[in-house]
Amino acid sequence: GAGVSQTPSNKVTEKGKYVELRCDPISGHTALYWYRQSLGQGPEFLIYFQGTGAADDSGLPNDRFFAVRPEGSVSTLKIQRTERGDSAVYLCASSLGTSGDPRGETQYFGPGTRLLVL
Amino acid sequence: SQQGEEDPQALSIQEGENATMNCSYKTSINNLQWYRQNSGRGLVHLILIRSNEREKHSGRLRVTLDTSKKSSSLLITASRAADTASYFCATVLRGGANSKLTFGKGITLSVRP
Repeated sequence: GAGVSQTPSNKVTEKGKYVELRCDPISGHTALYWYRQSLGQGPEFLIYFQGTGAADDSGLPNDRFFAVRPEGSVSTLKIQRTERGDSAVYLCASSLGTSGDPRGETQYFGPGTRLLVL
Repeated sequence: SQQGEEDPQALSIQEGENATMNCSYKTSINNLQWYRQNSGRGLVHLILIRSNEREKHSGRLRVTLDTSKKSSSLLITASRAADTASYFCATVLRGGANSKLTFGKGITLSVRP
């Protein structure tokens, strides 16, 4: 079936604006992760959903960042009052969410949304 | 914070040669994974090795894990130009449903035709 999709692929916004980034995980995947990748760095964890609930939001940098997954499928990452330092590629990944088996733990990444805050 | 540190930061080899990339990490882990990334976008999972495993193979890939040294290596044999990409090691600290990954900064591999 289809892989993880993310929209938009690119987003340019002005400092102070609000943005929403969308992630469509692989059908049937209960676990969903958001990561942020700055230029020349590896991805950094933001938040993890198991089903509809945010089970681990320890990576969110501050309260301007918020994410939802109301029906346990599509997730939206929301950034308020954007700052130039928020510019990065935002990656979404999903997995079956079962432990003890590589097939259940393997994360499948989307192509990312490149956010540029001017 | 980033747990893994890859070495070298950049590697350039001729097609057909083997490429060896190393990763070190700081804390105890449940498993370690290697990913490939082309053109700064989506990552592709290559292989997962658990803390109680020492070596795994997948096609032209061989991964080793030394938990006493907190290090791992990824070997790509008979490299091809299409292997040109960035490679990341990532660790999962604890078992369970939450498999959040902690990535290193990555290694840029260039394979010359």
